[in-house]
Amino acid sequence: NAGVTQTPKFQVLKTGQSMTLQCAQDMNHEYMSWYRQDPGMGLRLIHYSVGAGITDQGEVPNGYNVSRSTTEDFPLRLLSAAPSQTSVYFCASMLAGRTGELFFGEGSRLTVL
Amino acid sequence: QQQVKQSPQSLIVQKGGISIINCAYENTAFDYFPWYQQFPGKGPALLIAIRPDVSEKKEGRFTISFNKSAKQFSLHIMDSQPGDSATYFCAASPQETSGSRLTFGEGTQLTVNP
Repeated sequence: NAGVTQTPKFQVLKTGQSMTLQCAQDMNHEYMSWYRQDPGMGLRLIHYSVGAGITDQGEVPNGYNVSRSTTEDFPLRLLSAAPSQTSVYFCASMLAGRTGELFFGEGSRLTVL
Repeated sequence: QQQVKQSPQSLIVQKGGISIINCAYENTAFDYFPWYQQFPGKGPALLIAIRPDVSEKKEGRFTISFNKSAKQFSLHIMDSQPGDSATYFCAASPQETSGSRLTFGEGTQLTVNP
C-alpha cells in the first residue's frame, strides 16, 4: 500500500516558470489537501478538496491552482513561480469520518531562483 | 497571524528525561487538537490527539494535557528516548471541518541526547 505519493521530490525553477506538483493516494480517501512548510511557520494550508470536482482555498492560496478530477489525484499548479514560493510542499489525505487523521506524503522540495 | 502558538522552538533533553512542549490557541471554535511528529525527510505523522471534553489523554509515553479555560494544551513525553528526536507540531481544527483543515503551530525540534 503506497499511501500518499508525491512527485517530484526536488525541483528547481526560475522565476516566472510554471510547474505542477503531483499527488496521488491509493487509500480511496475523499479528502485531500496541500500544505507548505516553511522554517518557523509550521505548515500552512494552501488548497483542499472534499471530493472529486470540489476544491476550495486554504490559508495561503495565492499563486497556486488545483483541480480534482479523480478521487486519487490532486495536483498543485504554480502558475508563475516566485522566490517566495520556495518551500517544502506536502500533500495529505484523510478518510471521511476519521477526524484529524491526516496522512501525509514525503514532501516536494521546491526552490525558485 | 499565527492562530496556534507553540513553544519552545527547540528543546534538548537527556535520555530518560521528560520533554514538554506547549501550545496556545485563540480561536474558541477549535475543538480538535492533534500532535504530529515529523522525522527529517518525511511527512508529519499523527502522534496523539485530544478533544476539549477531557483534560488529559495518555498513549504510552505520550500525554496531552488540555486546559480549556486557558486555551492551552501541551505534550509530555515521558522517559524520552533518542528515537524521539524529531520535530513536533501541535495543531487545531474547528468542529465543522472534522479535523480535515488543520491550523499548525510553528513546530518544536526535539533532540534527545543518549
